[in-house]
Amino acid sequence: EDQVTQSPEALRLQEGESSSLNCSYTVSGLRGLFWYRQDPGKGPEFLFTLYSAGEEKEKERLKATLTKKESFLHITAPKPEDSATYLCAVASGGSYIPTFGRGTSLIVHP
Amino acid sequence: KAGVTQTPRYLIKTRGQQVTLSCSPISGHRSVSWYQQTPGQGLQFLFEYFSETQRNKGNFPGRFSGRQFSNSRSEMNVSTLELGDSALYLCASSNEAWGGTTEAFFGQGTRLTVV
Repeated sequence: EDQVTQSPEALRLQEGESSSLNCSYTVSGLRGLFWYRQDPGKGPEFLFTLYSAGEEKEKERLKATLTKKESFLHITAPKPEDSATYLCAVASGGSYIPTFGRGTSLIVHP
Repeated sequence: KAGVTQTPRYLIKTRGQQVTLSCSPISGHRSVSWYQQTPGQGLQFLFEYFSETQRNKGNFPGRFSGRQFSNSRSEMNVSTLELGDSALYLCASSNEAWGGTTEAFFGQGTRLTVV
């Protein structure tokens, strides 16, 4: 059974204070790892897909990286509008439907 | 390009009643997946439809059912509602079977409250 663990559960940052969110996974044959952002009361918004170890993708202040056991979402110089819950999901050869982690709730103070 | 549309956005139902939720995927997308999201359990997979066929089903009781129409629109039905069914129900759309190498795009969700 695929497992996804996100840490920390909650993170408070000051505006401009860079940090990283972690997504550790255990799967049988990774097909894809997905990062989403979710604002309160709304559906998750797609951010990135990573397919193989060593891959990196960037979007504005966000950069996602992937190793064989975990993925990091690096947030550089965050702004208050980056406050949201960030979700990680993995799809594998063993479990066709992606499994989601519980998310990291990020609050960026001005 | 229009996104994923879910209706209604909010719903209040009484225990024992049934409810039908609707999802219109992104034009051209053939896969629609449904998720239940609660503070205690996070995002839990309900089922996935691809070209009108249910391809995968999560661990939910038979009270939860769904279907997909020829235009890819999907409906989800919950019968004999229980208080624990109160949740945000999310629909995800993708242009190939979810879980492959493509991402899925979510709708805004339907907030169901059972009283």
